[in-house]
Amino acid sequence: SQQGEEDPQALSIQEGENATMNCSYKTSINNLQWYRQNSGRGLVHLILIRSNEREKHSGRLRVTLDTSKKSSSLLITASRAADTASYFCATDPRNTGGFKTIFGAGTRLFVKA
Amino acid sequence: EPEVTQTPSHQVTQMGQEVILRCVPISNHLYFYWYRQILGQKVEFLVSFYNNEISEKSEIFDDQFSVERPDGSNFTLKIRSTKLEDSAMYFCASRDRDAYNEQFFGPGTRLTVL
Repeated sequence: SQQGEEDPQALSIQEGENATMNCSYKTSINNLQWYRQNSGRGLVHLILIRSNEREKHSGRLRVTLDTSKKSSSLLITASRAADTASYFCATDPRNTGGFKTIFGAGTRLFVKA
Repeated sequence: EPEVTQTPSHQVTQMGQEVILRCVPISNHLYFYWYRQILGQKVEFLVSFYNNEISEKSEIFDDQFSVERPDGSNFTLKIRSTKLEDSAMYFCASRDRDAYNEQFFGPGTRLTVL
C-alpha cells in the first residue's frame, strides 16, 4: 500500500456543483500539498497545509487535514469546466526532513458545462 | 513570476543511449528534486539534492541515474543507458530555503525511448 491514496479515482460533476476529493496517508507528515495537473501537462501547486493546521482556504479551495485519521480533503466550490483536471495529494513524511515528497494516485475530475 | 524551466520539452532516444535532462530551478531556491510520471500513472519521487549532494533517493534511482548541479543555475538528470521502461514525463522541482514550503514544478520533459 502507498502513502497518499486519493478517492474517488474519478469524479464527474456538473458545473456549479462542489467537488470533494479525499486523500489518506500512512506515516506522520510535516505537511500535505494538493496539486492539479491538466492532461499531459505540468503540476500546479494549489495549497499546502502543515501538520499543525486543520483547515485552509484559498479562493474556491478548502483543504482540511485530520492527522489523527491521517486524511485530508480538498473541496472545490462552485466548480467550472476549467477545473477539469487530475488532482493529487502529496505528503512530506516527517522522517525525511523535507527531502522526499510522496504523491498519491490522483483523482480525475471532470466538470461538465 | 519566477518559474522552473526544463529542456527539452520532448526527447526521443534509442534504447541504450545516454540522455541528459536539464532544469533551471528558481534562482534563490536551495532544494532540488526530480520526479517521473509514467503515462497514466502517479508522480514518483526519484531524488532530492541539497548543498551539492543527494539528500534522498528512491529505489527507482539506481546506478543508471545521476544528478548534477554543474553551475549555479542548471540541475541535470542523466540516464546512462536508457531502457524502454524509462519512457515517462520527468519533472524537476525546487524549493526555497524552508524545506517544508511548497515545491515549484517545471513543465516536464517527455522522454520516449524506442
